[in-house]
Amino acid sequence: GAGVSQTPSNKVTEKGKYVELRCDPISGHTALYWYRQSLGQGPEFLIYFQGTGAADDSGLPNDRFFAVRPEGSVSTLKIQRTERGDSAVYLCASSLRQGGTEAFFGQGTRLTVV
Amino acid sequence: AQSVSQHNHHVILSEAASLELGCNYSYGGTVNLFWYVQYPGQHLQLLLKYFSGDPLVKGIKGFEAEFIKSKFSFNLRKPSVQWSDTAEYFCAVNYNQGGKLIFGQGTELSVKP
Repeated sequence: GAGVSQTPSNKVTEKGKYVELRCDPISGHTALYWYRQSLGQGPEFLIYFQGTGAADDSGLPNDRFFAVRPEGSVSTLKIQRTERGDSAVYLCASSLRQGGTEAFFGQGTRLTVV
Repeated sequence: AQSVSQHNHHVILSEAASLELGCNYSYGGTVNLFWYVQYPGQHLQLLLKYFSGDPLVKGIKGFEAEFIKSKFSFNLRKPSVQWSDTAEYFCAVNYNQGGKLIFGQGTELSVKP
């Protein structure tokens, strides 16, 4: 597609459940980023991939969060044992390469943990 | 620690008024600077960016920003706002050619027709 695609657009889950959020980046973009945005805040960095490898995962809040990008294209953010505090909009972005280039953002997945 | 600060949480202007939104960042090495905009119900879109060269950069829709290195600032300006500029504006910084962006907390702009 022309832009970054994220699915689902909305996800409601019960506390303690496992969720997967998917990101399909712009074709040819080698760098892929995940951010989390809480209400009234700017996006907060979680992790980014250069190709298949996680180049920087320093923003992952704890070991319940994990992300993969096995073929260097689509990425999945996985959250185990969800908590109400995980409720936020999860944003994915991609860029041609890391640093010094524009990042293009998807619409985000709104996660609500009840 | 690397951080970005936006001075105004919510700005309300009438159409044709001039706009300036403040953005300051902490020292952390070489920087690339960005302003993103998020219109209601839409995704983040790039307004303008600074990598090097002329510190006054022009973006889309009549926006511009000035990089003042000595003040660690990258303020966004527009001479005359329109109702359609109503949106949330985010300043973001990339340090040392790293991958991640550090965002400010955002400024909500409301333009009254």
